[in-house]
Amino acid sequence: KQEVTQIPAALSVPEGENLVLNCSFTDSAIYNLQWFRQDPGKGLTSLLLIQSSQREQTSGRLNASLDKSSGRSTLYIAASQPGDSATYLCAVSGLTGGGNKLTFGTGTQLKVEL
Amino acid sequence: KAGVTQTPRYLIKTRGQQVTLSCSPISGHRSVSWYQQTPGQGLQFLFEYFSETQRNKGNFPGRFSGRQFSNSRSEMNVSTLELGDSALYLCASSLRGSGANVLTFGAGSRLTVL
Repeated sequence: KQEVTQIPAALSVPEGENLVLNCSFTDSAIYNLQWFRQDPGKGLTSLLLIQSSQREQTSGRLNASLDKSSGRSTLYIAASQPGDSATYLCAVSGLTGGGNKLTFGTGTQLKVEL
Repeated sequence: KAGVTQTPRYLIKTRGQQVTLSCSPISGHRSVSWYQQTPGQGLQFLFEYFSETQRNKGNFPGRFSGRQFSNSRSEMNVSTLELGDSALYLCASSLRGSGANVLTFGAGSRLTVL
């Protein structure tokens, strides 16, 4: 059974700091890995999707890396802003069942302070 | 273009009742998947529908059911509600049922069972 862990559970940083969120998964037989953000009381917004054959994806100030063999992914946020405050979730899709059955981590709650 | 629409956004039910939640995917998206989010268990996969067929099912009791219509809209039903069913129910849509899918989530339906 796939298990996804995110560390740290919560993080508070001053504005402008670069930061790294960590995600680990127990079964390396994955189709892809996605990073989402969730604002309080709202749904999820997809940030980045990395296919199992890829090593990293970039979008603006965000960079996600994937090391499938070690079961790890990181989300790097450059020059953090207060608007980045949210819960960040990683999710993996297993090879069995196709791409839309996701196993989520418990999330990292990020607060960026002025 | 319109996003994923979930109705109702909030509802309160009592134990033993049943509830039906609706999800309208992005136009052209044929895959709809459902997730339950609780503080204790996090985000858990319920089921996925593609072209009116259930493709995947999570580890939930038979009280949880769903269906998809020919226009790709989906409904999920929970019968004989229990207190533990209180949660945010999220649906997500994507173009296809497998592959490099970016899932677009709705804002969710928050169910409270008293």
